[in-house]
Amino acid sequence: DAGVTQSPTHLIKTRGQQVTLRCSPKSGHDTVSWYQQALGQGPQFIFQYYEEEERQRGNFPDRFSGHQFPNYSSELNVNALLLGDSALYLCASSTLSGGGRSSGELFFGEGSRLTVL
Amino acid sequence: AQSVTQPDIHITVSEGASLELRCNYSYGATPYLFWYVQSPGQGLQLLLKYFSGDTLVQGIKGFEAEFKRSQSSFNLRKPSVHWSDAAEYFCAVGRGNTGGFKTIFGAGTRLFVKA
Repeated sequence: DAGVTQSPTHLIKTRGQQVTLRCSPKSGHDTVSWYQQALGQGPQFIFQYYEEEERQRGNFPDRFSGHQFPNYSSELNVNALLLGDSALYLCASSTLSGGGRSSGELFFGEGSRLTVL
Repeated sequence: AQSVTQPDIHITVSEGASLELRCNYSYGATPYLFWYVQSPGQGLQLLLKYFSGDTLVQGIKGFEAEFKRSQSSFNLRKPSVHWSDAAEYFCAVGRGNTGGFKTIFGAGTRLFVKA
């Protein structure tokens, strides 16, 4: 049973560039959440996708956008990269039944480490 | 606004000694409460969770946590620490509605274990 997979594992970009990170959820999961974890800090919630729609959003600018595909996989896009966007980006999958009920448990991938120069 | 506070940035414990990691939360109602562990080079793993009922919950790897509503706390404990417990520990709170389920994490406590 494959867990949450993320790609790429590491990447280096320069300021102003754009980046796309990818995530495949754990088998059976329909919901994907994205987090940003700066060095020495806890994960910060970016947004959550369910049924191909953004359902919840944290305090991140519009430069951060996402997408969820019919197979439940997801992409995180960051435009106009800043030095401060350097971080580990974590994808977490879970399930949301009808009415938004969830066990709440998140299954995390190992992350994509983005360095912005 | 929802928030999670972990007062200790890092803690050092001798192997075999007991451990308590502190967590306080601020929320409009009783949220779902979680503890996750992050080992170097690995993703976060759920240790335990509290939704309702018995305020003392048992988790994996011998960890337990106690929910105290009056103190808005959810402290993690382990009676005897092993060297393999050295990692970063995150307390988290979550709440769901028809729009989804949002989980907020604390800043984490790094646990060092000395021989």
